[in-house]
Amino acid sequence: NAGVTQTPKFQVLKTGQSMTLQCAQDMNHNSMYWYRQDPGMGLRLIYYSASEGTTDKGEVPNGYNVSRLNKREFSLRLESAAPSQTSVYFCASSGGTANEKLFFGSGTQLSVL
Amino acid sequence: EDQVTQSPEALRLQEGESSSLNCSYTVSGLRGLFWYRQDPGKGPEFLFTLYSAGEEKEKERLKATLTKKESFLHITAPKPEDSATYLCAVEAATFNKFYFGSGTKLNVKP
Repeated sequence: NAGVTQTPKFQVLKTGQSMTLQCAQDMNHNSMYWYRQDPGMGLRLIYYSASEGTTDKGEVPNGYNVSRLNKREFSLRLESAAPSQTSVYFCASSGGTANEKLFFGSGTQLSVL
Repeated sequence: EDQVTQSPEALRLQEGESSSLNCSYTVSGLRGLFWYRQDPGKGPEFLFTLYSAGEEKEKERLKATLTKKESFLHITAPKPEDSATYLCAVEAATFNKFYFGSGTKLNVKP
């Protein structure tokens, strides 16, 4: 039982390049999330998907797109990377009912030069 | 605006020296308050959920409490393995959305 799996673990991009961060969960969870974590700013929600087929913007969605491919998979795409997107990205999932805890992946360290 | 603030940003303790971490929040309609532990290079791991003022939960050397405006994570006689960043999060009235504080980095020296 792997939980939440993110790939890749590390990535270096040049400004303007694009890439997709992949996330998959094997807990049959309804809700999935993408967060970014920056020093001193905590975890900020980029996008979330309350259930398969739906996505919604979080606090910091600009510059990102997401796809809920199926119940298991939720990907985050940077179409034209900028240095301000240098961060650690975490995918998370939850059962989707009220007060359910989040399960996190191990993170992707992204540097944009 | 929903907001979560944690203090202090960093805390250094000697092994066995008890202390408390604070999480204050302003949210419209609190559904639940969550504490997570994060080790370097890893994702946060769940510790506790608190639902209503007056509630307390314990796990080993940790005890979490909740009032109407803040939560405390009390650490009793900490050990070096308790060193980590502790994150507080709230689920507000908007279902399925969680707001996180910036965390308290705890360092316990032997």
